[in-house]
Amino acid sequence: DGGITQSPKYLFRKEGQNVTLSCEQNLNHDAMYWYRQDPGQGLRLIYYSQIVNDFQKGDIAEGYSVSREKKESFPLTVTSAQKNPTAFYLCASSIAGAGADTQYFGPGTRLTVL
Amino acid sequence: ELKVEQNPLFLSMQEGKNYTIYCNYSTTSDRLYWYRQDPGKSLESLFVLLSNGAVKQEGRLMASLDTKARLSTLHITAAVHDLSATYFCAVVRGSRLTFGEGTQLTVNP
Repeated sequence: DGGITQSPKYLFRKEGQNVTLSCEQNLNHDAMYWYRQDPGQGLRLIYYSQIVNDFQKGDIAEGYSVSREKKESFPLTVTSAQKNPTAFYLCASSIAGAGADTQYFGPGTRLTVL
Repeated sequence: ELKVEQNPLFLSMQEGKNYTIYCNYSTTSDRLYWYRQDPGKSLESLFVLLSNGAVKQEGRLMASLDTKARLSTLHITAAVHDLSATYFCAVVRGSRLTFGEGTQLTVNP
């Protein structure tokens, strides 16, 4: 089955730790995205990548980093510089850039800072 | 900066009733998406509206787009409990999407 997987489903982080969230897709999509969702709010774009080895900052990139070494994978690292990382993180992919194609979402990772 | 506003943000309605959710956006765009999110779950794509006057329907949901007014509507006909969820509109900006805050819909028996 084609789709987007995210792991882990739940993640707990101590203050000062970096953590990495995994996102994998087997849809052969070129573009991938990371969003953050806070309770009762919409989605805000963190980073996006339209092609392997290239990515751009979204609206709230500070305290986050990404890599895109493979077409299938777009991991997100939440660094200690992100002061309020507790949120629901959603990864998405599309055939090409969002202007042309629907974005499809993974199941999400819920990150909690202890 | 593109702003996307939905209203209402919260909607409680009885089964069998009709209602409309509105999505206004601040700058020109000719492509808009509607998504559904169940509590604690991911987003599911409902509709993509590609041009002025576009109308799409699926079951009890119908979406439309007026690019001149920068307005999209999601109309619910004869609501049923299974439609309870949060509905987001998202507007294309270059190669990115900007999401509205979402409308939390509760359908009561």
